[in-house]
Amino acid sequence: SQQGEEDPQALSIQEGENATMNCSYKTSINNLQWYRQNSGRGLVHLILIRSNEREKHSGRLRVTLDTSKKSSSLLITASRAADTASYFCATGLPNSGGYQKVTFGTGTKLQVIP
Amino acid sequence: DVKVTQSSRYLVKRTGEKVFLECVQDMDHENMFWYRQDPGLGLRLIYFSYDVKMKEKGDIPEGYSVSREKKERFSLILESASTNQTSMYLCASRTWTGATNEKLFFGSGTQLSVL
Repeated sequence: SQQGEEDPQALSIQEGENATMNCSYKTSINNLQWYRQNSGRGLVHLILIRSNEREKHSGRLRVTLDTSKKSSSLLITASRAADTASYFCATGLPNSGGYQKVTFGTGTKLQVIP
Repeated sequence: DVKVTQSSRYLVKRTGEKVFLECVQDMDHENMFWYRQDPGLGLRLIYFSYDVKMKEKGDIPEGYSVSREKKERFSLILESASTNQTSMYLCASRTWTGATNEKLFFGSGTQLSVL
């Protein structure tokens, strides 16, 4: 099964509202990242939060991390139609070879209605 | 900006064919990754390479192999394509400066259909 799972699977909101997506993971991590994907294209990195951080902001994005619960949330404030996309969390995992692999969750499909 | 280029946007192959998916990055990144993306399953890691000629299995390596002869190029090989390998394949690269500051750069993906 996936290391990360997002909740909800799909979310539909009106423009101007806030959108919150949650991610749960299974094992210890070095960091957690959020990516965005438009219309089945490649993913674009949004933000990274380190395992020793609890909250991070970048523009209209706010990410929280609770390592005791193995969960993270992504909040997009004042959403715009252009925010319509799929959002994925990704966890940076320690690897036995010393090189970090990155595994992704199942994604949340966000629709922002104008 | 980093550019990660995947050789084909769409590919149609027959069952049993040998398939090569090519990925090239232009930023001298040490690490490269291959993922497949399926509806409801998100992205799953197939293989990654941390340096030239070095590779590590991801979560679903069965039925795939990889080649990294040059730093900028990472190839995914389906030795004998099967219908259950129909999927979107995504390549990514990153430079490794430590776990506290990393970012993957993705190609646009190759939609492979195996008939």
